[in-house]
Amino acid sequence: DAGVIQSPRHEVTEMGQEVTLRCKPISGHNSLFWYRQTMMRGLELLIYFNNNVPIDDSGMPEDRFSAKMPNASFSTLKIQPSEPRDSAVYFCASSPEEVPQYFGPGTRLTVT
Amino acid sequence: AQKVTQAQTEISVVEKEDVTLDCVYETRDTTYYLFWYKQPPSGELVFLIRRNSFDEQNEISGRYSWNFQKSTSSFNFTITASQVVDSAVYFCALSEALDSGNTPLVFGKGTRLSVIA
Repeated sequence: DAGVIQSPRHEVTEMGQEVTLRCKPISGHNSLFWYRQTMMRGLELLIYFNNNVPIDDSGMPEDRFSAKMPNASFSTLKIQPSEPRDSAVYFCASSPEEVPQYFGPGTRLTVT
Repeated sequence: AQKVTQAQTEISVVEKEDVTLDCVYETRDTTYYLFWYKQPPSGELVFLIRRNSFDEQNEISGRYSWNFQKSTSSFNFTITASQVVDSAVYFCALSEALDSGNTPLVFGKGTRLSVIA
């Protein structure tokens, strides 16, 4: 079974540019989570979906962040415009019911 | 509000020593799950264990063991006979248990374990 797939693995962009991170969850998993990892704040939830429906986006830091899940096999996290403080590792995780979350390899974002 | 505290920021041990990583949690939920994840230097997050709040039995998996004590709100992780490959950051996490649908993980800050040969 393929695990959670994230792309790109690394992204370097300039401040003000739009960034789109992509996630393909494990087939059959009905929950999808986006987390961000920084040295200062650790691992924190940004948003999560159950059955493609956003349940809690209270962790999305600002209106510059948006996430979509148009179908069960794809989700995007968009930052527009990006800022240096958005530099972090962004993880996508998926899970079916009653099973732990499985994480993708992460996208390391650097905004200069 | 849920909170997970891993008081040990960094631990360094010599290979073959036993080491225990502490985890204390806070929650008002009556049912919840506790987890441990490993993040090796390569950066991925690897699931190690999930424990339901109703199940206080300790668990052993090879060199790994977990001690869940509801009375002290702790879920400690012990590695026996540590190896260099155990060097990683270990995260304890907590989530609410619902009848339907998964809920997000609340992570501790992690404990960086260095095993020296």
